[in-house]
Amino acid sequence: AQTVTQSQPEMSVQEAETVTLSCTYDTSESDYYLFWYKQPPSRQMILVIRQEAYKQQNATENRFSVNFQKAAKSFSLKISDSQLGDAAMYFCAYRRGAQKLVFGQGTRLTINP
Amino acid sequence: NAGVTQTPKFRVLKTGQSMTLLCAQDMNHEYMYWYRQDPGMGLRLIHYSVGEGTTAKGEVPDGYNVSRLKKQNFLLGLESAAPSQTSVYFCASSYALAGTQETQYFGPGTRLLVL
Repeated sequence: AQTVTQSQPEMSVQEAETVTLSCTYDTSESDYYLFWYKQPPSRQMILVIRQEAYKQQNATENRFSVNFQKAAKSFSLKISDSQLGDAAMYFCAYRRGAQKLVFGQGTRLTINP
Repeated sequence: NAGVTQTPKFRVLKTGQSMTLLCAQDMNHEYMYWYRQDPGMGLRLIHYSVGEGTTAKGEVPDGYNVSRLKKQNFLLGLESAAPSQTSVYFCASSYALAGTQETQYFGPGTRLLVL
């Protein structure tokens, strides 16, 4: 069974600084997708970034980038130039094909002004 | 284009009562999902559907039933609510194809309190 682990229940960072959220996963598959979702206090789940396992290049979306280490089964999220609006719960998720998402436990990110 | 919507936003039930949560999407997605979110547990899949008229069990299906009579709607039912079903429920939808259509889009959530 696939599992996703986020070992940091809480993280904090100063505004404008860089923070990295960790995620590891366990799978025997070679073709899959990885996602980071953001959940602000409004509770809406918002897709931040996605990575296809067959792509070696790390995905980037503006201030958000990932460090995808397939052999190590690691998928960390880096947020650069942190902004107050980045404060939220962040969930790492794994998906193979069109099947269900498996989520990690989440990391609560606080931005200090 | 409203995306994924959920009704109601919040509900209080007494133990043993029944209710139905409605999820609607206007993106013509084939796949729809119901998750529950509990503190420290992340999101867990309850049931999902790969198309109109089909449903399948997820990780935590006990105590819930679902129906997908129309492609755009996915209903989650609680026949006899229990306090253990107090949670926040999220609906999501996605295309069945690979590529950018893999992304699941989430609704705003329904907060359910069972007393």
